[in-house]
Amino acid sequence: DAGITQSPRHKVTETGTPVTLRCHQTENHRYMYWYRQDPGHGLRLIHYSYGVKDTDKGEVSDGYSVSRSKTEDFLLTLESATSSQTSVYFCAISESRTAQHGYTFGSGTRLTVV
Amino acid sequence: GEDVEQSLFLSVREGDSSVINCTYTDSSSTYLYWYKQEPGAGLQLLTYIFSNMDMKQDQRLTVLLNKKDKHLSLRIADTQTGDSAIYFCAEKKGGGATNKLIFGTGTLLAVQP
Repeated sequence: DAGITQSPRHKVTETGTPVTLRCHQTENHRYMYWYRQDPGHGLRLIHYSYGVKDTDKGEVSDGYSVSRSKTEDFLLTLESATSSQTSVYFCAISESRTAQHGYTFGSGTRLTVV
Repeated sequence: GEDVEQSLFLSVREGDSSVINCTYTDSSSTYLYWYKQEPGAGLQLLTYIFSNMDMKQDQRLTVLLNKKDKHLSLRIADTQTGDSAIYFCAEKKGGGATNKLIFGTGTLLAVQP
């Protein structure tokens, strides 16, 4: 998807373990976002970044942290995974502060916490 | 996505028109978007409309915006089986570096042959 990849694509993990999801872009876009998708809730913003080392919380940030040490990578960490964090996670990128043309999305990571 | 509301499901016959509706909350939103998600895939931008417009047409797609009622709709003419997907509307909130898209709950469009 236009130079944005997420890894892994699928992961099963146990409750209480830490998990890190990676988003990698080759577009040199400044803005990056992590969303989770759940039935009946659509997509909800977890965290976002507006530059290297510049991040902020979204609407469902509890239990998640992020890091952006370089432009191309945005990492999402679940410090201690819980079953409520079973979801599909999408990364998105945007080149423009105004997001005039919307975001470009990755293919998603399906995370199951057992 | 609690701020942006959509109906959950729409079923149409192939060849008919589909209309997907969305209600958003922020009257200051400058851009509104429609995304399409096919099974197992990410979201693909279909179209967007700037808030100073009330209509935008792009081939089979027509977007209508009613700012007074904060209502957005997507009409798909001559709906095909390949249009079966989940459709999300989204509004741009915030300003400066903190702008972000807020998505609706999604509408599953099922096209019957």
